Amino acid sequence: GAVVSQHPSRVICKSGTSVKIECRSLDFQATTMFWYRQFPKQSLMLMATSNEGSKATYEQGVEKDKFLINHASLTLSTLTVTSAHPEDSSFYICSATAGTGNQPQHFGDGTRLSIL
Amino acid sequence: DAKTTQPNSMESNEEEPVHLPCNHSTISGTDYIHWYRQLPSQGPEYVIHGLTSNVNNRMASLAIAEDRKSSTLILHRATLRDAAVYYCILRDLIIQGAQKLVFGQGTRLTINP
Repeated sequence: GAVVSQHPSRVICKSGTSVKIECRSLDFQATTMFWYRQFPKQSLMLMATSNEGSKATYEQGVEKDKFLINHASLTLSTLTVTSAHPEDSSFYICSATAGTGNQPQHFGDGTRLSIL
Repeated sequence: DAKTTQPNSMESNEEEPVHLPCNHSTISGTDYIHWYRQLPSQGPEYVIHGLTSNVNNRMASLAIAEDRKSSTLILHRATLRDAAVYYCILRDLIIQGAQKLVFGQGTRLTINP
């Protein structure tokens, strides 16, 4: 089946650091990628939708200058958490889809971000 | 997005069938019913989807009520590896472009050995 690779799987860093998370579709071209955040014991919350070659669309309440998204190719999207603070600690998950309509989304295994 | 309602948690025994219900009374005619599951410390994975007819694949079966206001995900023979949070999500077919998924709280399924 389709594989989405997310890297790194875990990051621990100091407050004020910027952290980049990569999401790659390994065996298909992802026209659209999505970034989610999940706090403990809660459901996934969509942060933004990323289309290759265009600006990301952010959900209401998500700061675009805080969470920078780049989707430079059909197989790679990156999420950069700028000047991270402890409240940004969370489980970040990306997903990718090859097409429109009812194509399933394929998810990465997530990145657990801990800001000290 | 049309809303779905699922029980917070369910429990079953290994090697027994599991029926996970989902209510979606406000479903529209063009909404597909999708199921995803999330194992502990992993991203979600696609399970199955359908529109009107019952659907089967290697992971599960999806039974859709005749009025489409409810559906049931069926795991025919649960294993310990099926312990996960199961999400029932509606996606509108006619909206152009890739569809974002709106996750509710899902059902946490516990499988007893």
